[in-house]
Amino acid sequence: DAKTTQPPSMDCAEGRAANLPCNHSTISGNEYVYWYRQIHSQGPQYIIHGLKNNETNEMASLIITEDRKSSTLILPHATLRDTAVYYCIVRDNQGGKLIFGQGTELSVKP
Amino acid sequence: NAGVTQTPKFRVLKTGQSMTLLCAQDMNHEYMYWYRQDPGMGLRLIHYSVGEGTTAKGEVPDGYNVSRLKKQNFLLGLESAAPSQTSVYFCAVGGIYSNQPQHFGDGTRLSIL
Repeated sequence: DAKTTQPPSMDCAEGRAANLPCNHSTISGNEYVYWYRQIHSQGPQYIIHGLKNNETNEMASLIITEDRKSSTLILPHATLRDTAVYYCIVRDNQGGKLIFGQGTELSVKP
Repeated sequence: NAGVTQTPKFRVLKTGQSMTLLCAQDMNHEYMYWYRQDPGMGLRLIHYSVGEGTTAKGEVPDGYNVSRLKKQNFLLGLESAAPSQTSVYFCAVGGIYSNQPQHFGDGTRLSIL
């Protein structure tokens, strides 16, 4: 079973920041949090990952709480092309498996 | 999704037929994975491989077989296709370290009639 819980859907206005929450209360100390997104039925696209420090790249920022039990993905200036299903995943240390949950369907509206 | 190529992209089979899906990578990663995705659901892991000549079962392995004879290729076989195997199949590749992301192919859309 997935080790994460996410809201099933969220809306965001174009140009505003999109903040997608994720709970992972059973995460182990050496397990990474990964975020992927899937646009329509394309292959999942890697966004960002982190262990305990906050991370930022050209796509997004990842904020992980100090106790590591939750995290937030931030898309700083959402566009219509960011409409997708976003998956928060705790990566399994055995074989590096990704166990997908249902994800959050983000709708960016004009 | 440069670096991970899945063939074919689409296929329609009749119940009982067999076929093989091919995943090829040019990223030189050790780990390779096969997932399936049914409508409205997240991806589920079928089988995976942590290196050439090795395979292991994932969440939903029944009805599928895999082989990793060469590092760059991971094959997924359906010996006797069933309508319940109608799905979109995704291949992914990744490094051996936990901080190395997996990269996905564009998928194979398979319909079993």
